[in-house]
Amino acid sequence: EDQVTQSPEALRLQEGESSSLNCSYTVSGLRGLFWYRQDPGKGPEFLFTLYSAGEEKEKERLKATLTKKESFLHITAPKPEDSATYLCAVHLSGYALNFGKGTSLLVTP
Amino acid sequence: EPEVTQTPSHQVTQMGQEVILRCVPISNHLYFYWYRQILGQKVEFLVSFYNNEISEKSEIFDDQFSVERPDGSNFTLKIRSTKLEDSAMYFCATAGGDTQYFGPGTRLTVL
Repeated sequence: EDQVTQSPEALRLQEGESSSLNCSYTVSGLRGLFWYRQDPGKGPEFLFTLYSAGEEKEKERLKATLTKKESFLHITAPKPEDSATYLCAVHLSGYALNFGKGTSLLVTP
Repeated sequence: EPEVTQTPSHQVTQMGQEVILRCVPISNHLYFYWYRQILGQKVEFLVSFYNNEISEKSEIFDDQFSVERPDGSNFTLKIRSTKLEDSAMYFCATAGGDTQYFGPGTRLTVL
């Protein structure tokens, strides 16, 4: 059973067109929800950690929010350089990360 | 800014051969991890390592795999007898707390 489900699988935006990516999780006792960015052929790059419902974090054009069942990554006025795959992950039983399949974002000029 | 480094960036090997993938963690980190990502699939956990021993491992991490920290700086993943299905990107990650920082990966191709 998947503990982390991301949607949509792929998203195409025009430059400046804001949108949100979704990450639903089913773990009990969440000990952290993590967002990463992954460029093709590269390792995941850490973006945010969220711990409790209602928490929000921002970095440049990105804002991550958390509820009891899901997290959103909001992208405001995206630029082509924001094109990447965005990964969501939660802890497994210990500290290992269980990743979703990711949302592949393409921002066109 | 400190980074996790991995060598080699690409390794090509014949089926049945042994490979060793190397990682240099961020210097003050104490928790070490290996993940893999088969092309087009999600990132999967293999093993975690703390205080010179394995703390968790997944069902993927069978007897063909081993990890060690041979010299106090490098962290290695050894695959004893590679199979075609071991072809993937292998990522090392290190952490000083909750957040894991990933290296650039080693692309392993098994022929």
